[in-house]
Amino acid sequence: QQQVKQSPQSLIVQKGGIPIINCAYENTAFDYFPWYQQFPGKGPALLIAIRPDVSEKKEGRFTISFNKSAKQFSLHIMDSQPGDSATYFCAVYSGGSNYKLTFGKGTLLTVNP
Amino acid sequence: DAGVIQSPRHEVTEMGQEVTLRCKPISGHDYLFWYRQTMMRGLELLIYFNNNVPIDDSGMPEDRFSAKMPNASFSTLKIQPSEPRDSAVYFCASSRPTGELFFGEGSRLTVL
Repeated sequence: QQQVKQSPQSLIVQKGGIPIINCAYENTAFDYFPWYQQFPGKGPALLIAIRPDVSEKKEGRFTISFNKSAKQFSLHIMDSQPGDSATYFCAVYSGGSNYKLTFGKGTLLTVNP
Repeated sequence: DAGVIQSPRHEVTEMGQEVTLRCKPISGHDYLFWYRQTMMRGLELLIYFNNNVPIDDSGMPEDRFSAKMPNASFSTLKIQPSEPRDSAVYFCASSRPTGELFFGEGSRLTVL
């Protein structure tokens, strides 16, 4: 059972474009929604995260939009740069006794110069 | 401050051999996670520990896989016997109970 579904699998944009990556989840118990960024040969690293009490969070060029009723959240990258080329993973987390992060399958983003 | 340290970075072995992957978490982090990454299945949680105690091992594929955490600064993931389908990148991550995981650079395992 896939707890979080991520799309698209891959995405190519031109420099300056706004790539959007989407994730959908089923379990309403999730209460923390992070995005991780992974460069080749490296481990994933936290990029930005949101909790369900807000609908949007911005950090620099990265924005998470959160739609609680639709059980969806998305990552937007403003003014994308070639250095943003990486694999992006959404994740879901519920605290309490079962503390663990479950990741989406990932989106390979390529930003062309 | 040093991050999560994994060894070896690369391991090539033959089917049937025992493989041991090692992890040193960030000091002060009381959670430790082992993930496996493949193209087909993405990042899969294998097992995680809280204060050195295994909490959830439901992701461990089968009895050939075992993990230990003898103390707060060391964990191992062992595969015995290894099979070609175990080829993957294995990540260790540690965290406080904040939701932010800090990953190591991974151990790339190839089983011939």
